[in-house]
Formats: sequence, C-alpha cells, structure tokens
Amino acid sequence: AQTVTQSQPEMSVQEAETVTLSCTYDTSESDYYLFWYKQPPSRQMILVIRQEAYKQQNATENRFSVNFQKAAKSFSLKISDSQLGDAAMYFCAPKRGTSGSRLTFGEGTQLTVNP
Amino acid sequence: EADIYQTPRYLVIGTGKKITLECSQTMGHDKMYWYQQDPGMELHLIHYSYGVNSTEKGDLSSESTVSRIRTEHFPLTLESARPSHTSQYLCASSEWNSNQETQYFGPGTRLLVL
Repeated sequence: AQTVTQSQPEMSVQEAETVTLSCTYDTSESDYYLFWYKQPPSRQMILVIRQEAYKQQNATENRFSVNFQKAAKSFSLKISDSQLGDAAMYFCAPKRGTSGSRLTFGEGTQLTVNP
Repeated sequence: EADIYQTPRYLVIGTGKKITLECSQTMGHDKMYWYQQDPGMELHLIHYSYGVNSTEKGDLSSESTVSRIRTEHFPLTLESARPSHTSQYLCASSEWNSNQETQYFGPGTRLLVL
C-alpha cells in the first residue's frame, strides 16, 4: 500500500519568484515512480513532471524541478520564475512500478501566484 | 498532447434519473480509469479497466457501473442519481513509455444532482 502527504494545503508566491511544494510518501515498493500533476481551475489534470525512483538525478522540466530524497521519502516540487498561469492545485502522486498499477494522489496544494 | 475526452462537461439532473458519463480516448491506451473528486479534495479511484471486457472496482465504494466494450470508450453509468453523487468525475487513460506508466486525464465532468 502507498500513502502520500502534502502538508501545505495552500501556498502563495509572487510572480517571477520561486516556490517549493512539499510531498512525503510511504511505500514498501522498491520499484516505483513519482509524479506531480497540476489541476488549474478548468479542472483538467496536467502532468507536470515525473521521477523514476531508481534514478538519483533529480528530474527537471523547464521551470519545474524536483528534490527527490529517496531515503527520506520526500519528493518536493520547485517552481522557478513563477507565472500567473502556474496558479493551480498541485497533486503529488507515487505509483508502483509494476504494469497496470494505479496512482495514489495526495490531498493537493493550492498554489496562488500574486502579480 | 494526450487526447482524452469527456462529455458532458457539466450536468445538472434530478434525483432518480439515470445518467451516463462518457469518456473516450484516441491514443489506443488499454488502461483507463475513473476518479471522483470533490472540490479541493484528493482524487479517489472508483473504477478501472485494463482492456476490453475488463473492469474492476477501485478504492472508493461507488454506486456507479462501467463498461469497456471498445478500447477507446469507457462510459460510467449511475442508474439512479442522488444528491450524494454530486461531484467531479475525472477519466484517465495511461500508457507505458520508457518503462514507466503515465496517466493522462480528461477535462472532467461536473455533476450536480438536485
């Protein structure tokens, strides 16, 4: 079984600044993946970034990067040069590595970007 | 960009009505999922399918049913809608890429049962 905790229900950041969203998880699996999804007001879920647990190098996608600490089971998301369009609910989601297994979503963090 | 569609986007309906939420994807994905989400809350898996004629119940008990007669189509049905069914319903499909699975979500259906 997997559990995931996002301890920050709400976060805010000034436009062009950097913000970090935290996520901790618990899993007994040795092979798994980690995802961050973004859900803007349109309610559509958008994949932001993914990380393979067996990789030590942190994933990066343009302004989005993660700080993956496997021993601590921590998977934070850093957004650099924040833009107004980054305002959304962000969900952390670990997933087992086996074929067909499902994502487990955290409670979400609502990010506000102030102009 | 993933192509997964849900209709209707919004639905207001009276108690006792039968409704079907449509979900379709054009990517040929075998695996599809239905999630239920209340505003600002976490997603709960209610149904999933690993392929044609394969459906399973998810983690959250639901009075809805699903079918998977075609790969691209995964409709969800409520035989008798109740106010407690008011929520957002998200459909997803997934693919394997570089030895990992990624789920792609549709835009969701917001359901209000009066």
